[in-house]
Amino acid sequence: GENVEQHPSTLSVQEGDSAVIKCTYSDSASNYFPWYKQELGKGPQLIIDIRSNVGEKKDQRIAVTLNKTAKHFSLHITETQPEDSAVYFCAAVTSNTGKLIFGQGTTLQVKP
Amino acid sequence: GAGVSQSPSNKVTEKGKDVELRCDPISGHTALYWYRQSLGQGLEFLIYFQGNSAPDKSGLPSDRFSAERTGGSVSTLTIQRTQQEDSAVYLCASSSRPGQGYGYTFGSGTRLTVV
Repeated sequence: GENVEQHPSTLSVQEGDSAVIKCTYSDSASNYFPWYKQELGKGPQLIIDIRSNVGEKKDQRIAVTLNKTAKHFSLHITETQPEDSAVYFCAAVTSNTGKLIFGQGTTLQVKP
Repeated sequence: GAGVSQSPSNKVTEKGKDVELRCDPISGHTALYWYRQSLGQGLEFLIYFQGNSAPDKSGLPSDRFSAERTGGSVSTLTIQRTQQEDSAVYLCASSSRPGQGYGYTFGSGTRLTVV
């Protein structure tokens, strides 16, 4: 089955700096890669996603890149703000199962 | 409702007792998923319901865990003879794009503590 590895497990940046979180996946049939943000006491919230026919997608300060050959994808947050502090999860889905398999999560701390 | 609703939000139970966790998905969403999140860990897939198809139970950790979905809507996750290692947040998600992984919406979870 699918396995998703996520790094780093913790990341601390100064406000205004950029943050990058990286994930690798094992199943070459995976075709959908969402990123979720989870704040304390809440369920994960979708922040951006990318499908396998696209190499890069951007939404304001957030961007995601996908390299299907290498089977890795990354989340980039620019101009970080304290409210970006949360746990971020990457995930991968194969269309024939519909199961969303998560990485281990990255705790991002943005210092004012 | 507007989102996925889970109840109770917190549950403390004694080791060996049975517990039931409830999930109300978004109206019209045909796919429903349960995940478990242990402290400081990622989200572990448990079970997946899609319409009238047989559920995918491949993630259930033991036969003490079971789930059902009545009328294609509300789902109940049951844990029998709870153990301390069952302590975790149990998250439910529903989707309007079954089998394609799009549009997952999560509830806020049930925090289960087994003492």
